[in-house]
Amino acid sequence: GENVEQHPSTLSVQEGDSAVIKCTYSDSASNYFPWYKQELGKRPQLIIDIRSNVGEKKDQRIAVTLNKTAKHFSLHITETQPEDSAVYFCAASRANAGKSTFGDGTTLTVKP
Amino acid sequence: NAGVTQTPKFRILKIGQSMTLQCAQDMNHNYMYWYRQDPGMGLKLIYYSVGAGITDKGEVPNGYNVSRSTTEDFPLRLELAAPSQTSVYFCASSYSRGPGENSPLHFGNGTRLTVT
Repeated sequence: GENVEQHPSTLSVQEGDSAVIKCTYSDSASNYFPWYKQELGKRPQLIIDIRSNVGEKKDQRIAVTLNKTAKHFSLHITETQPEDSAVYFCAASRANAGKSTFGDGTTLTVKP
Repeated sequence: NAGVTQTPKFRILKIGQSMTLQCAQDMNHNYMYWYRQDPGMGLKLIYYSVGAGITDKGEVPNGYNVSRSTTEDFPLRLELAAPSQTSVYFCASSYSRGPGENSPLHFGNGTRLTVT
């Protein structure tokens, strides 16, 4: 089955700096890669996603890049703010598989 | 739309007791899932369903059962509660528009279960 590895497990940055979280996946048939943000005590919520026919996607301060050859994808957050502090999860799934495999999460702390 | 609704929000069980965690969605999503999240850990898939009448095991199915008699509901049953089942349980749903088209998961607010 699919295996998703996520690094780093914890990340601390100063407000205004950039943050990068990386994930690798094992199943070359995976074609959908969402990122979720989970604030303390809350449910995970989608922040951005990318499909295998696209190499990069941006949404304001957040971007995701995908390298299908190397089987890895990354989340980039620019101009970080204290409200970006949360746990971020990457996930991977293949078409019609009916399930996503999640990374173990990255705890991002943005220091004011 | 209410989205994905989970009940109860909190529950304390004694070892050996049974209970059902309820999950309902009103978005007409065909896929539904149950995940558990232990403190400070990631999401582990327990069971999932690609449509009414169809269920399949995830990574950690032991000690749980599910059913999917309607598109809207996907209850999770714990038969003999054990301390190892202390966790936060998230139900989620998504919609597959067709071959090659996955979509993001919509999560419920979770059920915090303690087994003592």
